[in-house]
Amino acid sequence: ETGVTQTPRHLVMGMTNKKSLKCEQHLGHNAMYWYKQSAKKPLELMFVYNFKEQTENNSVPSRFSPECPNSSHLFLHLHTLQPEDSALYLCASSQGTGDGYTFGSGTRLTVV
Amino acid sequence: AQKITQTQPGMFVQEKEAVTLDCTYDTSDQSYGLFWYKQPSSGEMIFLIYQGSYDEQNATEGRYSLNFQKARKSANLVISASQLGDSAMYFCAMRVETGAGSYQLTFGKGTKLSVIP
Repeated sequence: ETGVTQTPRHLVMGMTNKKSLKCEQHLGHNAMYWYKQSAKKPLELMFVYNFKEQTENNSVPSRFSPECPNSSHLFLHLHTLQPEDSALYLCASSQGTGDGYTFGSGTRLTVV
Repeated sequence: AQKITQTQPGMFVQEKEAVTLDCTYDTSDQSYGLFWYKQPSSGEMIFLIYQGSYDEQNATEGRYSLNFQKARKSANLVISASQLGDSAMYFCAMRVETGAGSYQLTFGKGTKLSVIP
């Protein structure tokens, strides 16, 4: 148990489906992040939330929609994805954005 | 632009030997932080070690040490007495400031370490 829990661990979805990824942290951290990890590419930061407010959106397509209802929970809503969106999606949290991150185990997403 | 470079896509090391994983970075900031993470096949990113740009001593955490050479902008990870469980992807990352009081981590492409029995 890392303190950051991601569900589901694996997800296969069609291009017309709508699904959501969930991230929960029990560390009392104030900042949460979504990263995308594709094969042979560096981790790509997608979104940053600090005290529930979105502070970064790194030009992510609108088919990815984040939601942060409170400092402990972060969602990534997915709709009409493309096969190239298949990747490992990692959630992380930190006390402040300048502190070290604690990562979850990720959700391995396959778009068919 | 902030950038992290890991030039070794893959490395092999004999069990019980030491290994160095290379990392160079590029930033014009005076204040920054450098991190190393380990990612086993399970996918989780595990924090290993941290070095601040103003830290004069190299960071150490158990079998991990960070060879910080500021003038060369390098932050190599040294793993001593390698174990089979050390086989994983290793990522170097740099904390950069993106705005007043806001930061984010930028990662390198990673190095796959394989420990041979």
